[in-house]
Amino acid sequence: DIQMTQSPSSLSASVGDRVTITCRASEDIGNFLAWFQQKPGRAPKSLIYAASSLQSGVPSKFSGSGSGTDFSLTISSLQPEDFATYYCHHYNSFPLTFGGGTKVEI
Amino acid sequence: QVQLVQSGAEVRKPGASVKVSCEASGNTFTSYYMHWLRQAPGQGLEWMGVISPSGGSTTSAQRFQGRVTMASDTSTSTVYMELSSLRSEDTAVYYCAGGYGYNIDHWGQGTLLTVSS
Repeated sequence: DIQMTQSPSSLSASVGDRVTITCRASEDIGNFLAWFQQKPGRAPKSLIYAASSLQSGVPSKFSGSGSGTDFSLTISSLQPEDFATYYCHHYNSFPLTFGGGTKVEI
Repeated sequence: QVQLVQSGAEVRKPGASVKVSCEASGNTFTSYYMHWLRQAPGQGLEWMGVISPSGGSTTSAQRFQGRVTMASDTSTSTVYMELSSLRSEDTAVYYCAGGYGYNIDHWGQGTLLTVSS
């Protein structure tokens, strides 16, 4: 199985900050990488697919980059509604596997 | 806009089975790969398996093989996931999620399964 390693596991930030989360795959997954956001007690919400494409309706303050094994998610200007846990996952092959999550908190 | 609506919370005893449903709105059902995932309390996401748009093909994670069954009913745009031989470690929120490829675009609201004697 492909291992997905996210860092950091948590970070503290302020409203207006630019934050970047990284995700590393244990083998080359091309651009078959997605990011999603999850708030406590809520279902996940997909943000980015194909490493850098925004899902419909997702604001442009979210951006993704990378290919192969190294990827990142950047939030350009944190707003109160962005404080949540972010996960990466690959869909290059089965089983899909997920990063451990990055909790973004104040 | 695609919506995935799951069945309600369930409580089961160890050794029992549970069947969770997920109804898709819109015209996406026959084009969507539907995944099943779970999230134990305070934990991350775990992929369980996927069923093809036609419902003719399923792939499940090795650790669930023999215990999980996925099926679809195109007449009602509903997919089902049945998990058998339940144990306490299966207590989790179960999600259906779909996309046009193997990616996940939309998520259901989740179904809480509690396994307790």
